[in-house]
Amino acid sequence: ETGVTQTPRHLVMGMTNKKSLKCEQHLGHNAMYWYKQSAKKPLELMFVYNFKEQTENNSVPSRFSPECPNSSHLFLHLHTLQPEDSALYLCASSPHRGLDRSPLHFGNGTRLTVT
Amino acid sequence: DQQVKQNSPSLSVQEGRISILNCDYTNSMFDYFLWYKKYPAEGPTFLISISSIKDKNEDGRFTVFLNKSAKHLSLHIVPSQPGDSAVYFCAASGTNAGKSTFGDGTTLTVKP
Repeated sequence: ETGVTQTPRHLVMGMTNKKSLKCEQHLGHNAMYWYKQSAKKPLELMFVYNFKEQTENNSVPSRFSPECPNSSHLFLHLHTLQPEDSALYLCASSPHRGLDRSPLHFGNGTRLTVT
Repeated sequence: DQQVKQNSPSLSVQEGRISILNCDYTNSMFDYFLWYKKYPAEGPTFLISISSIKDKNEDGRFTVFLNKSAKHLSLHIVPSQPGDSAVYFCAASGTNAGKSTFGDGTTLTVKP
């Protein structure tokens, strides 16, 4: 399998639940990203990992907790979310870090609904 | 304040004609620009990019033009095909294209 794979594709959770989103890339890339797309809003960068190290947290609330055990896997742990957190969560990867003009390779996203 | 804007939420063109999608940015530090295309139920896919040292980049039917003084870029698709119907996102970045700032997207519909 190639590309960037995200699971699950759809997730409905209550505000008191704990769930995790999973992302796996088979491209040999070293950087992984979480982006969020809310309704009628542009994609927003949430987190960046380079070589498993978090290099950016774009002022994301602590109810979102990322984890990157290796360069191929990225998780987003969710707990006590709010209905306004309902959105499409997109994982992406790119080859390098630093000065890097490589475009992002996105997964198909997880559509999250918080009830 | 939104730093990358795509002021047209939607655009409809006839097959075979030219599609022109526009994007404006405000941050002078942006020096690399990308266009992504997104089909329903799929993630965005990279289409074409341009560095600020150029004013035009062409790839097949797709051409991106950059006007730095106006902080404006546009994507031209010629000729447009029904398979081009998708949401097109403009993105701008500095040294790391992965850390891009995206526009809201423009939904392009190409009618047969």
